[in-house]
Amino acid sequence: GQNIDQPTEMTATEGAIVQINCTYQTSGFNGLFWYQQHAGEAPTFLSYNVLDGLEEKGRFSSFLSRSKGYSYLLLKELQMKDSASYLCAVRDGRSGDTDKLIFGTGTRLQVFP
Amino acid sequence: DAGITQSPRHKVTETGTPVTLRCHQTENHRYMYWYRQDPGHGLRLIHYSYGVKDTDKGEVSDGYSVSRSKTEDFLLTLESATSSQTSVYFCAISAGTGGWALHFGNGTRLTVT
Repeated sequence: GQNIDQPTEMTATEGAIVQINCTYQTSGFNGLFWYQQHAGEAPTFLSYNVLDGLEEKGRFSSFLSRSKGYSYLLLKELQMKDSASYLCAVRDGRSGDTDKLIFGTGTRLQVFP
Repeated sequence: DAGITQSPRHKVTETGTPVTLRCHQTENHRYMYWYRQDPGHGLRLIHYSYGVKDTDKGEVSDGYSVSRSKTEDFLLTLESATSSQTSVYFCAISAGTGGWALHFGNGTRLTVT
């Protein structure tokens, strides 16, 4: 079957670091994506990992371990505007552009002053 | 901005009536998708298109149909709306960058009474 697990909610303090974990079980794998979604808005693309390791993009980094079916999103120097839901998604397949994304239910992050 | 416009942004309709949601893109992308987002379920794929008149079903396609007669427009029709179709509907395109990441429109909030 296909399953993507993320914590439902997390809280953190402004200026701190937070790690949001995602584990997945899919029949195929062709990339893992992280999205940010503010309340009442559309998801916006944050990062993409297809090979093992860490991808860094400013304050945000994403890590992938394919053998463990595991990824995390690391947010540094948290700001109030980082309060949002973070969605983990896996491309299930091998053909690339036509494979579909399967989404987890998202992790709601609240940043407090 | 991926040049995606969804209309209407909000709609209230009665059970049993047909409803059509429109997604319009300005950048000639080949792949377009319709997702619905519900609490506790995350984003779920309804239908997708890989070209004009080429469409296929996603995981929650029952009660929905789609049409794509032009590259820029992807229509989602609820043939006879039910209360279980109350949801937020997102259209997305796949732009070929970032591992063919999806980029979403602003969404349509549909309420079926």
